[in-house]
Amino acid sequence: AQRVTQPEKLLSVFKGAPVELKCNYSYSGSPELFWYVQYSRQRLQLLLRHISRESIKGFTADLNKGETSFHLKKPFAQEEDSAMYYCALSGHSGGYQKVTFGTGTKLQVIP
Amino acid sequence: DAGITQSPRHKVTETGTPVTLRCHQTENHRYMYWYRQDPGHGLRLIHYSYGVKDTDKGEVSDGYSVSRSKTEDFLLTLESATSSQTSVYFCAISEHSGELFFGEGSRLTVL
Repeated sequence: AQRVTQPEKLLSVFKGAPVELKCNYSYSGSPELFWYVQYSRQRLQLLLRHISRESIKGFTADLNKGETSFHLKKPFAQEEDSAMYYCALSGHSGGYQKVTFGTGTKLQVIP
Repeated sequence: DAGITQSPRHKVTETGTPVTLRCHQTENHRYMYWYRQDPGHGLRLIHYSYGVKDTDKGEVSDGYSVSRSKTEDFLLTLESATSSQTSVYFCAISEHSGELFFGEGSRLTVL
């Protein structure tokens, strides 16, 4: 079974403060981890994926297999970062791809 | 945005009536997914498809059925809608990785 846990429902930070959105996963194989974002009145979209190891909009995330974590970080929060963030895991079930999401964290950046 | 559309976008229905939501893609992607989004629960997988006529259950499949007779269409049916199925439903597509492209969502209200 594959599972994704996001312990925080809401995270409020001041503009310019560092941000860390937590994500832990459970999966017996080698997972692919993703962060998706949903801005107000927009569809969900991919923010970043662990295999690309890139920074998108100043966000980074490192896969820590020892701690089974994939936390999302940004050194200086901006007001436009306010959104709903979902961590997702792509695994295989019966040989086919299956994508499981966490419960999401709402990031609120206070001006 | 990837070519993925959902219909209807909004629907209000009464308990006990059947409801069908349609997801249509123009990308020829192999995988199609139906999720429901609820506060506090995030995105939960209802059913997914890995090819024409090939589908499997997700974590919250009770009360839902799906069909995929063509690559481009994935239908979600509520045989007898209940108030607990009031939700926002998202369709997503992917080719071979966990990178999903989402539709705009269908808001269903069951009275």
